[in-house]
Amino acid sequence: SQKIEQNSEALNIQEGKTATLTCNYTNYSPAYLQWYRQDPGRGPVFLLLIRENEKEKRKERLKVTFDTTLKQSSFHITASQPADSATYLCAFYQGGKLIFGQGTELSVKP
Amino acid sequence: DTAVSQTPKYLVTQMGNDKSIKCEQNLGHDTMYWYKQDSKKFLKIMFSYNNKELIINETVPNRFSPKSPDKAHLNLHINSLELGDSAVYFCASSQVWSRVSADTQYFGPGTRLTVL
Repeated sequence: SQKIEQNSEALNIQEGKTATLTCNYTNYSPAYLQWYRQDPGRGPVFLLLIRENEKEKRKERLKVTFDTTLKQSSFHITASQPADSATYLCAFYQGGKLIFGQGTELSVKP
Repeated sequence: DTAVSQTPKYLVTQMGNDKSIKCEQNLGHDTMYWYKQDSKKFLKIMFSYNNKELIINETVPNRFSPKSPDKAHLNLHINSLELGDSAVYFCASSQVWSRVSADTQYFGPGTRLTVL
């Protein structure tokens, strides 16, 4: 069955560094992949969508890449700040529904 | 202005009870969803309605029944609550729905259900 996995449950980095989160999928070739941010006690908030024919997408300090050969998407936050601390979820779109990864909890220390 | 709202925020109840969670969106979207997020933070779709019509019904016990009185509202009724139903339930909406083309989903704040 189709599966999506995020490479780590938690990631701790120092303020100012680049945070890199990775999402791998198996048994499927999604046309779209999305990244969401979730803060404690709140619902996920959409960040970026990338299509299979796009290698890279940027939005301010955020960058998403999509490698259909490796079946992987990477999410980067440059010049990270403590306010970036949250759980980040990747999701692929299949048959009219979003299939989410389990999330990576990012903690940015001052 | 809250785009997607849910009530209640917290719900604590005994096993065997029946409860409802309400969801409203003021974005003018055609499609609404219910998701369940378990204790491991895994978010999984349960139902989806497009223009008040049920279009996605995942493998969910039939104790769960969604109802969409109009495009702006999607309620979730749960009968005979069980311990395993304890989770956070999120409502979401999107402007349109397509089987092949993704649209941004806007999530509500969640309802934390605890079954004792």
